[in-house]
Amino acid sequence: EVQLVETGGGLIQPGGSLRLSCAASGFTVSSNYMSWVRQAPGKGLEWVSVIYSGGSTYYADSVKGRFTISRDNSKNTLYLQMNSLRAEDTAVYYCAREVGDGIANWFDPWGQGTLVTVSS
Amino acid sequence: SSELTQDPAVSVALGQTVRITCQGDSLRSYYASWYQQKPGQAPVLVIYGKNNRPSGIPDRFSGSSSGNTASLTITGAQAEDEADYYCNSRDSSGNPVFGGGTKLTVL
Repeated sequence: EVQLVETGGGLIQPGGSLRLSCAASGFTVSSNYMSWVRQAPGKGLEWVSVIYSGGSTYYADSVKGRFTISRDNSKNTLYLQMNSLRAEDTAVYYCAREVGDGIANWFDPWGQGTLVTVSS
Repeated sequence: SSELTQDPAVSVALGQTVRITCQGDSLRSYYASWYQQKPGQAPVLVIYGKNNRPSGIPDRFSGSSSGNTASLTITGAQAEDEADYYCNSRDSSGNPVFGGGTKLTVL
């Protein structure tokens, strides 16, 4: 079964750091495009970052310079290192595999999400 | 602001047909994918590509596209279809982008 499980969320003070993990099963993280998508309370989905199979990484402007996406091939796990956290980073963070051919792309599967709350 | 525009809310009578739309320039070049999200749950893929349904998604869900508009149609809406629906495609930089979401109410 193809599955993603996120961990690492929690309550963190503004300016702090947190690392999220996303453990994959049923497929190989390093062979796929893997993204983080977040959802602030009561709001819509916002794409955050992607790491391509070749290792290239891209970020939304809202997190560029503060967040770093990476992966550990030996653990088949995706990470999101979040530094200089702000109140507006409060959200449920999902990891998702992106599949497609460039013209048609989609996210499947999604993890269950992990809540990050930035507050003093 | 999102480069994909969706109506914030749509309603449909039980058993009737509803269309949820998504507008954006990128849709002239890329297909949209569609996700259903129920309260407290992760998004679930319902339509991808030209008009493809993942295993387990009922055939009352279908997708289409014309010009800069992609549409998700539910033919014979059921009570369990009440949810938020999001479209997804690419932005002008080629990165993924989501529409603002449409809250579907089944009356």
